[in-house]
Amino acid sequence: GDQVEQSPSALSLHEGTGSALRCNFTTTMRAVQWFRKNSRGSLINLFYLASGTKENGRLKSAFDSKERYSTLHIRDAQLEDSGTYFCAAESSGSWQLIFGSGTQLTVMP
Amino acid sequence: AQTIHQWPVAEIKAVGSPLSLGCTIKGKSSPNLYWYWQATGGTLQQLFYSITVGQVESVVQLNLSASRPKDDQFILSTEKLLLSHSGFYLCAWSLPGGLYEQYFGPGTRLTVL
Repeated sequence: GDQVEQSPSALSLHEGTGSALRCNFTTTMRAVQWFRKNSRGSLINLFYLASGTKENGRLKSAFDSKERYSTLHIRDAQLEDSGTYFCAAESSGSWQLIFGSGTQLTVMP
Repeated sequence: AQTIHQWPVAEIKAVGSPLSLGCTIKGKSSPNLYWYWQATGGTLQQLFYSITVGQVESVVQLNLSASRPKDDQFILSTEKLLLSHSGFYLCAWSLPGGLYEQYFGPGTRLTVL
């Protein structure tokens, strides 16, 4: 079935640096969402993209449906950015939102 | 502003006992509603979705059922819990009329013993 492959599973950054998370899709997806897990385990919405790129503060996301991937870039990482980040993609032709396995981000002083 | 509420916050239940988890959305008319489940250490999976009152579609079979008795209410239930039902259950909503951004509730943590 449709799958979402998220990488890396874990990422360590020093404060002030940046990196990117990536999700690859095994099939064409209609849109992608990026979330961050909160302290209770629920999800905070970061981005929703049907195409192109969006930016919010130090976060920037891109989605390329044709090339079947999405990225989440974090720049100037801060300690409070630590946490688990998920991508999820809408499968074309269905009502299903398929989640990646998550990236555990640790920002170090 | 829209608010989404889930109940209970956490539940500890015995194998074979019944279960009912609830979700209500306030401030949005006729939303699409969704149930998700995440086993400990597992990936979040969509279980059900509903686009209108009385209509629920199953995505993954887990010996669970869902109902939408009111426009703003979504219920997840089973008559007999299994150990494998343990995990974190999330309800979500999106705008009606198509596939849009989903917003998640606070979740219910279920432990089956």
